[in-house]
Order: sequence, then structure tokens, then C-alpha cells
Amino acid sequence: DTEVTQTPKHLVMGMTNKKSLKCEQHMGHRAMYWYKQKAKKPPELMFVYSYEKLSINESVPSRFSPECPNSSLLNLHLHALQPEDSALYLCASSRSEGTGNQPQHFGDGTRLSIL
Amino acid sequence: RKEVEQDPGPFNVPEGATVAFNCTYSNSASQSFFWYRQDCRKEPKLLMSVYSSGNEDGRFTAQLNRASQYISLLIRDSKLSDSATYLCAVGLYNFNKFYFGSGTKLNVKP
Repeated sequence: DTEVTQTPKHLVMGMTNKKSLKCEQHMGHRAMYWYKQKAKKPPELMFVYSYEKLSINESVPSRFSPECPNSSLLNLHLHALQPEDSALYLCASSRSEGTGNQPQHFGDGTRLSIL
Repeated sequence: RKEVEQDPGPFNVPEGATVAFNCTYSNSASQSFFWYRQDCRKEPKLLMSVYSSGNEDGRFTAQLNRASQYISLLIRDSKLSDSATYLCAVGLYNFNKFYFGSGTKLNVKP
């Protein structure tokens, strides 16, 4: 069982919908991450939230917006997505950021399909 | 040039075999190194961190070669359950630069 919980497990939405992906970690970690993974490709880092500071991969379009209500939650708001955004969205957490030796632990992922 | 490169495989080996994977990284400032295992349609699971002096966990041994900028994973006495895709991951001090390789697929056959 993973200690990073993601909901929903699967999501199908139209291009005009607004939805949110939720992620909660139960390990007291101080850094959380969102990744996007397409089939047969590596996970690509989208956002890092650490010590109340958000870092953004500049290539991520604005139709994705993260929100961090508290240190154990990192949500991903979705709006006006495109078919190419269909992918597995993975949330991860680590004890801290920037110490150089902290592994990331992943949730089960949300499989997103855009119609 | 990709930040992290791996041979995609697949590596097809019989049970009991020893198999090794390499992963090269391009940024000499990279500071943290990990091996993950990912099963089909599942999330990556941390297999082991890779330390400068090399480290071992049961049948798995990880090595880091900073001079040549690669990490390796050795699996001894392969089991059927080892069949998966093995991803290497490399992080810089600023963790908004954390890269995964594309993964190496391992098939262990009876």
C-alpha cells in the first residue's frame, strides 16, 4: 500500500470541463510533486511544492494549476484540457527538497482521458 | 541531448541469471541518483538510492561512476517477479530539476 493517496484513480472529461486531481501524503514529508507520464515514456516533472514555495516546469501549460491547501495536500486543477493531455498523472512526496539524497515516493496515479 | 539515457531493452533473461543495466546522465552537477521499478500501468516504486560508494540490497547492487557519469544496477539470481521496467532517476540540488530515464524493460523467463 502506498502512503501517497491519489483520487480519483480514473477520470474521463471533456475539453470544456473543469476538474481537480487530489493528492495526500501521510508521511509528514515537506515536498510534493506532480508528474505526467505518457505510455512508454518516463514521468515528466510538472510542479514541485516545497516549504510553501511552488516551482513550475516552464513547459507546463496554464490549463494545469496546482494548489497546496496544506503541507500534506497537493491538488491539480484542470481546465480546458486537450486530447494530448491524456496520460497518467502521478503525485509524489519526499522528506524534503534540495538535500540531494531524498527519494520520492509515488501515489498510484490518476489515469486521465480527455474526450 | 536527453538528461538521462537508458537502453530500452527488452532484456530477456532466464530465471537465475545475472543482469546489469546502465544509465547515463548529462549534467555533471547531478547530486542524487535512484533506481525505480515500474510495472505495467502502475506507479514507479523506489527500488534503491545510489550512493557514491555503491550499495547493495539483497540481490540488487547499485553503483555510481561520477567520472563517466553513469549509474548501474545489477540483479543477481533473477526471479520471474523481477520482470518490470527499471527507471533510473537523477536529481540536481534544486529539485525542480529531477529527471527520469525512459526505462529498461526486463523480462525474466522460466
